[in-house]
Amino acid sequence: EVQVVESGGGLVQPGGSLRLSCAASGFIFSDHYMDWVRQAPGKGLEWVGRTRNKANSYITEYAASVKGRFTISRDDSKNSLSLQMNSLKTEDTAVYYCARGGSGSSLDFWGQGTLVTVSS
Amino acid sequence: SYVLTQPPSMSVAPGKTARITCGGNNIGSKSVHWYQQKPGQAPVLVIYYDSDRPSGIPDRFSGSNSGNTATLTISRVEAGDEADYYCQVWDNSSDHKVFGGGTKLTVL
Repeated sequence: EVQVVESGGGLVQPGGSLRLSCAASGFIFSDHYMDWVRQAPGKGLEWVGRTRNKANSYITEYAASVKGRFTISRDDSKNSLSLQMNSLKTEDTAVYYCARGGSGSSLDFWGQGTLVTVSS
Repeated sequence: SYVLTQPPSMSVAPGKTARITCGGNNIGSKSVHWYQQKPGQAPVLVIYYDSDRPSGIPDRFSGSNSGNTATLTISRVEAGDEADYYCQVWDNSSDHKVFGGGTKLTVL
């Protein structure tokens, strides 16, 4: 059974940092692109970024709103994905989802999300 | 940047057909994916590559894409279909994944 489980969310002050993790199981992690998507309270889905797989040189791509502040990394030996978030702003408050890349640019399996609250 | 436009809400009676649109400049040239999100839950992929269904998704869900509009069609709507629906594409010009604003489907 395919599973992705996020962890690491919490309350952080503006300007602070937080690292989210995503543990994957039930599939060949190294074959897949992996994405982070967020959802602010009561709002729609917003793409954060993704890491391509080894065959595509682990290239990372980011939304303009987080580029330069957030870093996505992966460890294929541990089936894990991370999101390092620096210089956090109140507008980064959201549920952060880890999702597996599927056919084309689709996301075919999602975790349940972890809540990040940026507030003083 | 590329923009996808969805109606914020729509309502449909049980047993009827719901058609949720997703507008974008020449969206017919892109692959469109659709997600269903129920309250308090993670999104679920219901259509990929415009019209393909993942395993486990009922054939009541179908999709089409042409010109400037992609459409998610839900036939014989059930109460359990009440959810938010999002379209999504990959924008090659910016190397960004783009989501529509979402449509809240209410089953009357």
